[in-house]
Amino acid sequence: QSALTQPASVSGSPGQAVTISCSATNSDVGGSDSVSWYQQHPGKVPKLIIFDVSSRPSGVSNRFSGSRSGDTASLTISGLQTVDEADYYCCSYTRTNTVLFGGGTKLTVL
Amino acid sequence: QVYLVQSGGEVKKPGASVKVSCKSSSYTFLSDSFTWVRQAPGQGLEWMGSVNPYSDDTHYAQKFQGRLTLTTVTSTNTAYMELERLQFDDTAIYYCARGGGLNGLDPWGQGTLVTVSS
Repeated sequence: QSALTQPASVSGSPGQAVTISCSATNSDVGGSDSVSWYQQHPGKVPKLIIFDVSSRPSGVSNRFSGSRSGDTASLTISGLQTVDEADYYCCSYTRTNTVLFGGGTKLTVL
Repeated sequence: QVYLVQSGGEVKKPGASVKVSCKSSSYTFLSDSFTWVRQAPGQGLEWMGSVNPYSDDTHYAQKFQGRLTLTTVTSTNTAYMELERLQFDDTAIYYCARGGGLNGLDPWGQGTLVTVSS
């Protein structure tokens, strides 16, 4: 059982915004500034889309944004496009120098 | 741009070991850490551990302690993941990624499918 809890699935219509939450259930993780998010299309390699809670790597669309409130990090995707349909994973570096992944969220664009 | 190229797929019998390589194109190999993540069929991402080529410092997930070894060879800019005493549920795609997790993992290798079958 992961110490990072994500909803199993979310959905939205093209043009809408969706938010995926990632809640820490472990004190080693809560409040971490080292939260990252990954997008994975079926059969493809995971891709970093957010690091350090809210920073975007070069080349990642500004439709992706990250935030954190207390022990919950969030990924918001605005202006949904069909190409955004994928699995999304949150990830946190812990105080014990380990890394945890959330269980993943399947985004469906209706 | 940095690329990570992993070795090819492997088929192993239960009880055997597997060693997967990850060659980096980065000229900053010594200042990078490398993380290994696996993904079982239809499942999520699972962190296995990380290694720092400069210090040889390693961190392992508790579930792999004792049968996982992460190493690097700086002369060839290559990181290695060796998993011993393979079981059927070790069947997965194994990924290497640059970074130790502090500032994200990027880029990722193409993945190596390890199949454990009798």
